[in-house]
Amino acid sequence: EAQVTQNPRYLITVTGKKLTVTCSQNMNHEYMSWYRQDPGLGLRQIYYSMNVEVTDKGDVPEGYKVSRKEKRNFPLILESPSPNQTSLYFCASSSSSGSTYEQYFGPGTRLTVT
Amino acid sequence: AQSVTQLGSHVSVSEGALVLLRCNYSSSVPPYLFWYVQYPNQGLQLLLKYTSAATLVKGINGFEAEFKKSETSFHLTKPSAHMSDAAEYFCAVSDFPGNTPLVFGKGTRLSVIA
Repeated sequence: EAQVTQNPRYLITVTGKKLTVTCSQNMNHEYMSWYRQDPGLGLRQIYYSMNVEVTDKGDVPEGYKVSRKEKRNFPLILESPSPNQTSLYFCASSSSSGSTYEQYFGPGTRLTVT
Repeated sequence: AQSVTQLGSHVSVSEGALVLLRCNYSSSVPPYLFWYVQYPNQGLQLLLKYTSAATLVKGINGFEAEFKKSETSFHLTKPSAHMSDAAEYFCAVSDFPGNTPLVFGKGTRLSVIA
C-alpha cells in the first residue's frame, strides 16, 4: 500500500529537549515536505526537499532542521523545542510535477512542548 | 507571490442542502489548484485538482469545482450535503507543483446539520 508514515503520532516534551520526527514514504517520490498546521492559519510549509541531499526553506523554517540522506526518508529535527512549536505536523511526498502532480500526506504528529 | 483566500472559516449547511466553499487565489502565472479534505484526527486527502485542462473538475465523494480565471476563483460545490462531509477543507495553489511549493488557504470547517 502506498503511504507516508510518521512517527511518533503524539509527543509531549519539554523546552530544549532535542527531538526528531521521522517521515518515510514507499512511493519512490522525489519531492518531500514538512508542514505545520495551526488553528486559523491553515498549513504552512516548514522545509521541502526536491531530491536526496537537496533541501530548502519553506515559509516557517526557524527552529527546525531537516536532512535527506535517502530518498524515502525526510526527518524533521527540533534541536531546542520551544512552546511556540506546539503544533500538528504533517509530512508529505509528491509524485512527478505539473499536471500529474499529486501530494500524499502522512497521518500527522501532534507535538506539545511544555 | 501566490496566495489563497478561503472565505468563511466555518460553514454550516443542512443535510441535503447545497455545499459551497469559496476559494480565491492570486498567481502571476496560470495556476494549478487543489482542494483537500481533512477528517477529524486524520491527514489531508486530495479531493480534486485543476491542472489547466477542463475548467469544471470532478472529484471524489460527489464534489466538483470550477476554475474561473476572470474571477480568480476555484469554489468547491456539492449538490447535496451528507453528514459524512463534515470536515475541514483546504484550497491550495501552486505555479508549478513539484518545483514550487503548494500554498494553502486557512481552511473552512464544514458542519452538516441533520
